[in-house]
Amino acid sequence: LAKTTQPISMDSYEGQEVNITCSHNNIATNDYITWYQQFPSQGPRFIIQGYKTKVTNEVASLFIPADRKSSTLSLPRVSLSDTAVYYCLVGERADGLTFGKGTHLIIQP
Amino acid sequence: DTGVSQNPRHKITKRGQNVTFRCDPISEHNRLYWYRQTLGQGPEFLTYFQNEAQLEKSRLLSDRFSAERPKGSFSTLEIQRTEQGDSAMYLCASSAETGSPYEQYFGPGTRLTVT
Repeated sequence: LAKTTQPISMDSYEGQEVNITCSHNNIATNDYITWYQQFPSQGPRFIIQGYKTKVTNEVASLFIPADRKSSTLSLPRVSLSDTAVYYCLVGERADGLTFGKGTHLIIQP
Repeated sequence: DTGVSQNPRHKITKRGQNVTFRCDPISEHNRLYWYRQTLGQGPEFLTYFQNEAQLEKSRLLSDRFSAERPKGSFSTLEIQRTEQGDSAMYLCASSAETGSPYEQYFGPGTRLTVT
């Protein structure tokens, strides 16, 4: 299972773009990169998933360089409600997700 | 169907008692997962069902824990002889067999407090 490393915490302000980078040097050929968001006292929510290059949906963009050893979750024009923990996961098997401690993102007014 | 539901949302029990939690997954999802989350940590995988078959169990799932999914729909997680260390949020998630196993949909969780 590929180990992931992401910052423990980040701060930003409303209206800014926030980029959270995750390192996964041991990513395997079949692994996908998946990001989840979690608010206090709620279950995690799937945000986005990608394999290579760039993926965009209505919530975020995911940038993956050619070597796939890292990825960047980009949140455009954040608001206070984006304050949450963001988890980067790498893998493809159906036998349960491995979450780390995630990145605590705090958005200030 | 609006998502994964879990009951109860909160449970307070005394040490040594048995507790049972229920999870109702998204109806067309045949994969169901249980996780446990303690304060400040990410969720930890406990067990995984595909339909009614329990295919994977974590080492965290001691013999006091048992999970079932008898008809391949809802699932129950029972903890026998609860201990204070069992206090945590218990999360259930489901995913579709046709989709990515990493695209899971989580319920709101059951918060267990063992006194």
